[in-house]
Order: sequence, then C-alpha cells, then structure tokens
Amino acid sequence: DTGVSQDPRHKITKRGQNVTFRCDPISEHNRLYWYRQTLGQGPEFLTYFQNEAQLEKSRLLSDRFSAERPKGSFSTLEIQRTEQGDSAMYLCASSFISGTDGYTFGSGTRLTVV
Amino acid sequence: TQLLEQSPQFLSIQEGENLTVYCNSSSVFSSLQWYRQEPGEGPVLLVTVVTGGEVKKLKRLTFQFGDARKDSSLHITAAQPGDTGLYLCAGGEENSGGSNYKLTFGKGTLLTVNP
Repeated sequence: DTGVSQDPRHKITKRGQNVTFRCDPISEHNRLYWYRQTLGQGPEFLTYFQNEAQLEKSRLLSDRFSAERPKGSFSTLEIQRTEQGDSAMYLCASSFISGTDGYTFGSGTRLTVV
Repeated sequence: TQLLEQSPQFLSIQEGENLTVYCNSSSVFSSLQWYRQEPGEGPVLLVTVVTGGEVKKLKRLTFQFGDARKDSSLHITAAQPGDTGLYLCAGGEENSGGSNYKLTFGKGTLLTVNP
C-alpha cells in the first residue's frame, strides 16, 4: 500500500469555477476524512465517512461543498462557484474505526482561487 | 467548540539544545495525537496517547499526556536540523459509539533547528 493519495497536488482556478479533488485512502481503513488548512493554522475538520456513509459535516462545509464516497473506497470533494476564501490546502486522511491509531494523511491538494 | 492552544508558536534553536512544546485545552480529549508537518506536505503521525499521565518515548522525543487529559507536552532532546518542521497536536473526540471520529488541531509550533 502506498498510503493516502490525493489528486491533483495543485489546482489554480478562476473565481466562480467548479473544482473536484480526489482522495484514495489506505484500502484497509474504514474511515476517510477531509480537512482544510490555511496558512498559519492547523487543519480544520470538514467531513468524514465511515465506509460509504457520510456521518458528519462541519459548519465550515457550506452548501457549495459536497463530498462523496460512492463505493466506500475513494472519495471526491467538489467545490462549486469557488471564492477566493476557498484558497487553502485540502487534506484527506484515513484511519481504522477506532481512530486512536492515528490518521494517515495524504500530501494534500493546494487550491488557489484567482 | 473544543480548542487547543499550542506554545510557543515559533521556536528557533541551535543543534544540540533541548526544547519543550506545550499543548493546552480547557476540554477533555479521549486521545491526544502529535503530528509533524513539512512544507507542502500532509501531517505525519508521531504518537498517540490515550491514558491520563501516559508517557511515550520515540528516540529523542518524549510525549506526555496530562493526568486530566486536557494537556500534553513534547520534549525533544539534543535537537537536530532534521527535526525542523511544524509540530501539531490534535485532540480526539469520541462519538456516541466510543470511537474517535474527529480531531481538533492546534495551530502548531514551527521549529527551526540551526546547524
């Protein structure tokens, strides 16, 4: 297993465009998480899945954001009508259900909205 | 909303020195995790502590979870340039099923070890 993979690594988009990011977790992990990190801050929780079920969404996840994990494997995070404030590093992580073994993070997708 | 305060925010030291980074909260966490992050990369897990008072050692790094499970510290002995990075603490919250499902991160301590 090569760990958690995220694609693309970098994305530059114009304000108002839609973007979609993909995350491939560690195959044995049941849980998949999305976090967002801005400069000088720690990662902030956005949402998480257990298998294919999305169990919680943060208030940070406005209605322009949608995440899916259709077959309980890879996940996508879509942002519609991007705004400059969406510029951030979007991190995906996976873990076993207990979570106490820690998360394995991907390298992230750096989004820049111009 | 549970918050984690990390101190100091920035730390620049010489190779060979010792240092301690602190992570404090007014909330109780079910677990406390420490991560190290390099520029442009995702955080990498260093350790998880789950029991109040627990101490774990990872080579030159020593991690402690406070008795009340509200605070933690990371101590590095004889720091090396390779220790340079952003150190993040993260508190785990349990869902109704008793498993950790969400991490709350501190802002991090940016450590620079000069040769």
